[in-house]
Amino acid sequence: DTEVTQTPKHLVMGMTNKKSLKCEQHMGHRAMYWYKQKAKKPPELMFVYSYEKLSINESVPSRFSPECPNSSLLNLHLHALQPEDSALYLCASSLGTGENTEAFFGQGTRLTVV
Amino acid sequence: SQQGEEDPQALSIQEGENATMNCSYKTSINNLQWYRQNSGRGLVHLILIRSNEREKHSGRLRVTLDTSKKSSSLLITASRAADTASYFCATEPFLQGAQKLVFGQGTRLTINP
Repeated sequence: DTEVTQTPKHLVMGMTNKKSLKCEQHMGHRAMYWYKQKAKKPPELMFVYSYEKLSINESVPSRFSPECPNSSLLNLHLHALQPEDSALYLCASSLGTGENTEAFFGQGTRLTVV
Repeated sequence: SQQGEEDPQALSIQEGENATMNCSYKTSINNLQWYRQNSGRGLVHLILIRSNEREKHSGRLRVTLDTSKKSSSLLITASRAADTASYFCATEPFLQGAQKLVFGQGTRLTINP
């Protein structure tokens, strides 16, 4: 199984809502990532989990809250988002055991904040 | 911050022709990777070239890396309509390991039948 599965594929939420994005992989990867991508722009790193511990937070606003319940799952909890947070949110994983490893990406969740 | 810059931003060629995309970066790296993205969905890893390598091939793909110029190129030979996609280079900064990939701005490639 070489897939990273993200749910939901699409999400529309109001600025007062609380929602969660989910990501799952069963490749035994120990590094998992959240990226944000705006239209016609490259992915921008948000968070990195290494061995289920948060290792990088790229100064992301607190309305985005990551969680790694176990080595296969990664969540992104959303609360009080702004319309400018509308984007494609991509989850990725990699072996995480050293350098020179490729990342496997999910298909993304397209988020619209209204 | 995005350290990779790619050119051209957009490229349109006829099927069967070769497509070349370039990437420049600013800091020392462990490796440079190329990814493809179809229609704003997930990214697919194409090829990884390490900092001590100068050229690498995979099928119709050829990647070069010049660390003295901090630049890389991706050549797709004998292009097909299915190659239409956005292509991104991504660098793994030196000593930060697999934890951090920094993406370039991307090249939107269109293959005309």
